[in-house]
Amino acid sequence: GAGVSQSPSNKVTEKGKDVELRCDPISGHTALYWYRQSLGQGLEFLIYFQGNSAPDKSGLPSDRFSAERTGGSVSTLTIQRTQQEDSAVYLCASSLMSGENSPLHFGNGTRLTVT
Amino acid sequence: KQEVTQIPAALSVPEGENLVLNCSFTDSAIYNLQWFRQDPGKGLTSLLLIQSSQREQTSGRLNASLDKSSGRSTLYIAASQPGDSATYLCAATGNQFYFGTGTSLTVIP
Repeated sequence: GAGVSQSPSNKVTEKGKDVELRCDPISGHTALYWYRQSLGQGLEFLIYFQGNSAPDKSGLPSDRFSAERTGGSVSTLTIQRTQQEDSAVYLCASSLMSGENSPLHFGNGTRLTVT
Repeated sequence: KQEVTQIPAALSVPEGENLVLNCSFTDSAIYNLQWFRQDPGKGLTSLLLIQSSQREQTSGRLNASLDKSSGRSTLYIAASQPGDSATYLCAATGNQFYFGTGTSLTVIP
């Protein structure tokens, strides 16, 4: 596709439910990132995939959060037993590769509201 | 750990003014420095990327500079327009992208 695509664009869920957020990166991009942005806050790094290497999970806030990237393309971020503090915009980004001249391209995000 | 700071947090200017946004980072071992804009309810749009070996990049009314030794980058916007109103974020690239908290710009018609 022309850009990074995220779905759904909005998700409202009840506390305690599981949610899955999807990211389709730009075709051919080997690096994929997930960030979280809370209201009025900066971007919080969650997880990073680069090619077939083991993902960098150092930003995941708890073991309720997990992410997969299948076939080096589509990624799914899963939040189990959602809590109200999980409410935020979840942004996905991709780049051709990690490194010097690979700009980061963002999707429009998924706005998650936990009631 | 890389820390990125942006000053000011918010800026309001009349239309037509030139302005400078500042970005500082603590670890000079970066691959590149990228500037983004974010409109309300939207993702981030890449504006300029400066490679570590470069000093500046220009695109239209935008000019970004990079001084690795002092850990600073600036984004210069010439002849500001109301459509420039947005939040501007910088990101320093190392093993991952490290973002500042942004400068919220309002250009008053």
